[in-house]
Order: sequence, then C-alpha cells, then structure tokens
Amino acid sequence: DAGVTQSPTHLIKTRGQHVTLRCSPISGHKSVSWYQQVLGQGPQFIFQYYEKEERGRGNFPDRFSARQFPNYSSELNVNALLLGDSALYLCASSFDAWWSYTFGSGTRLTVV
Amino acid sequence: DQQVKQNSPSLSVQEGRISILNCDYTNSMFDYFLWYKKYPAEGPTFLISISSIKDKNEDGRFTVFLNKSAKHLSLHIVPSQPGDSVVYFCAASGSSNTGKLIFGQGTTLQVKP
Repeated sequence: DAGVTQSPTHLIKTRGQHVTLRCSPISGHKSVSWYQQVLGQGPQFIFQYYEKEERGRGNFPDRFSARQFPNYSSELNVNALLLGDSALYLCASSFDAWWSYTFGSGTRLTVV
Repeated sequence: DQQVKQNSPSLSVQEGRISILNCDYTNSMFDYFLWYKKYPAEGPTFLISISSIKDKNEDGRFTVFLNKSAKHLSLHIVPSQPGDSVVYFCAASGSSNTGKLIFGQGTTLQVKP
C-alpha cells in the first residue's frame, strides 16, 4: 500500500514568490495535517483538515493557506515567501484517530 | 514558548545497555503523549504513546513512563541496538482534538557497537 506521498520532494524558490506543496493521504484516510520543521527543531503544526474542512490552525501568518479536495488530497500554499520559510514541510494523514498519524517524507523548501 | 522540551540534543550509549530519553512539558492540559523516531530523509514514524490516565506503556524493547506531577515523560529502550541510532521526538496533545501535536526539539541517539 502506498504511504503518504508528497510532491515535490525538493524545491527552490526566490523570496517573494508563491509555492504550492501537495499531499496525497493513505487511501481511506480522511484527515490531513501539515507541519513545518525547521532545521534543528521539532515539527510545528500548521493546519489540520478533516472531511475538507479546517479543524485546526497553528500560529502561522495568513501567507500560509491550505485546502483539502474531495479525494482527500491536500495542498499547502505559501505566498510572499521569506527566507525563514525554508524548512521541511511534512504532511500527515489519519483515518479519524489523530494520534494514528502517518507522516510523509516531506518537501524540502529552500527560499533564496 | 516551548511547551514540550527535550533538553538533551544528543545521547550516546553502548549497544545492549539502556537508553533513556527525557521530555518535559509545561501545559497540564496535555492528555496524550507520543514518541516518534525520524530517519534522515523520511518523515517521523510513530513509536509508542501513552495516555495521561496511565503512567507506563510498554511495547517490546520500548517503554514510556509518564510522571504527571513532574510533567515529565521518558522513553526507555532496552536493550539498545545500533539500528536505534536516529532522532527521537516526543509530542503532546490536548483533548481538543484539533489534530495539533506539540513536538519537542528532538534527541539524537547514538548506539555504539
């Protein structure tokens, strides 16, 4: 069975640009969460979506947005990129029990 | 404000000995705690969890202990194996069920043969 898949795996963007990261959850999983992991730190919660509705939002600026599609895949969008947005962006999916998260391998975003 | 702290960035132990990884938290509303391990170039992998109604949970070589009064949890690995040499994160969540996990900064374990 395919796990949580994220695309792209690596990305380089310039300050001020916009980026879209994509996540496909495990088949049957209805919840998708996004986390940002800066080097040397633990992952930080950005969003959770369940059944296409936002259920939770972390302490991130409005430049960060996300959505979940009818097939439960998800996109994370970041506008007006800053150097500090350089991080590993992790997507996690679960059926409904949030503590059964399965994480993807992440998208490494570098802003130059 | 770091609500979950792993104060030891790294830990080195001999193969076959016990590894003890520690985690402290500040929010008394946390009621569920998890440990993840993370290999390079992969996402975190769930290892073991514990509810606040328990003080111990065991799964094979891994045991998590929770001391609510001290707001402290620890992960014991016995016996430690070289393949256990990865980064370990503790995480906590409250009962609001928003899917938000608060992670510590991680501890890199090195098990020497």
